[in-house]
Amino acid sequence: EAQVTQNPRYLITVTGKKLTVTCSQNMNHEYMSWYRQDPGLGLRQIYYSMNVEVTDKGDVPEGYKVSRKEKRNFPLILESPSPNQTSLYFCASSLSVAGSTDTQYFGPGTRLTVL
Amino acid sequence: ILNVEQSPQSLHVQEGDSTNFTCSFPSSNFYALHWYRWETAKSPEALFVMTLNGDEKKKGRISATLNTKEGYSYLYIKGSQPEDSATYLCAPLAGNQFYFGTGTSLTVIP
Repeated sequence: EAQVTQNPRYLITVTGKKLTVTCSQNMNHEYMSWYRQDPGLGLRQIYYSMNVEVTDKGDVPEGYKVSRKEKRNFPLILESPSPNQTSLYFCASSLSVAGSTDTQYFGPGTRLTVL
Repeated sequence: ILNVEQSPQSLHVQEGDSTNFTCSFPSSNFYALHWYRWETAKSPEALFVMTLNGDEKKKGRISATLNTKEGYSYLYIKGSQPEDSATYLCAPLAGNQFYFGTGTSLTVIP
């Protein structure tokens, strides 16, 4: 089944404790992206990746890192989480972006709470 | 950052009513416009991707139009059903980034 998976789905952690949220897709998609959803705000793009080893900042990259060593995986790293990073996070992928009408497929979401 | 506005913010309609929502965005630097449907406790699901001025897409009772010159898109739902209840998001693609609106929350009352 074609899908985007994220782990963990729920996480409660404490300030400063490094964490990684994994994202994997099995559709051979080039474009992958991380979003956060906060009440009253639209989905905001944190980082995106056009292909392996190519990553770019979105609108809210502060406090986050990403890597794209393999096409299928795009982990989101919080080196020192803070309470303002408490949010619902989505990973998404699409076949490509530039010059395409490809749709994005979203993962199930990760609800993160930083105490 | 692209300022994307969706209206109305929320909408309650009776089953069988037809309804429409608006997505407004700056018309410059625009490449494509995506519409998503987002049900509570689920992930956003793609409805349409539109790129051309005057583009019109249809999927069952849902359709969308795009005006790139004036920077807006309409989403129409004909004969709303309770299962249409969801938040509808639009997301212009500018450069290689998506800019999501805050969505229109639709509740269809049986």
